[in-house]
Amino acid sequence: EAGVAQSPRYKIIEKRQSVAFWCNPISGHATLYWYQQILGQGPKLLIQFQNNGVVDDSQLPKDRFSAERLKGVDSTLKIQPAKLEDSAVYLCASSLVKGQGKETQYFGPGTRLLVL
Amino acid sequence: TQLLEQSPQFLSIQEGENLTVYCNSSSVFSSLQWYRQEPGEGPVLLVTVVTGGEVKKLKRLTFQFGDARKDSSLHITAAQPGDTGLYLCAGVASGAGSYQLTFGKGTKLSVIP
Repeated sequence: EAGVAQSPRYKIIEKRQSVAFWCNPISGHATLYWYQQILGQGPKLLIQFQNNGVVDDSQLPKDRFSAERLKGVDSTLKIQPAKLEDSAVYLCASSLVKGQGKETQYFGPGTRLLVL
Repeated sequence: TQLLEQSPQFLSIQEGENLTVYCNSSSVFSSLQWYRQEPGEGPVLLVTVVTGGEVKKLKRLTFQFGDARKDSSLHITAAQPGDTGLYLCAGVASGAGSYQLTFGKGTKLSVIP
């Protein structure tokens, strides 16, 4: 079974530029998550989708971050404009069932973003 | 305020030694998970515990959920170099109104051959 795919794996941009990350979850997984993991910290949930609807985006900085999952499968996360403090690994995860904290989340390898 | 405190932050041991890492909170959790993350990869789920006092074993790894569901521990017996990685605990706080998974900062374990 193919895992969660993410691209690109690495991205270097200058502050105030925009960047987009792509995620393809495991086939059949209804729930998709985007996490931000800053160096030395654990992942922090940015947004959770159930099919193509947003379940939780309470920690998403909506003035600069946006995410969509138009057809309920792939998802993109965009940052515009980027700030230095956005340097982090952006992890995508998916789960078969609706997220209630007990389900297995499968994580992709992440996109490592460096903002200069 | 860090909801989940993990200790120690770093741990370097010799192959064959035993170790315990801790995950503590002042909050009650309805469930708690342990993940292992290797460099350049995403976290991989090791176990989920949901009942206070629950103990689960996964080969040489033993996981315990505290009776009050506020803390958890991971014990590794006879550590091997393949156990090297970042161990993360994550939980859903009871009564939080959401099922958002909150992660600790992790314990970085190095097992030296």
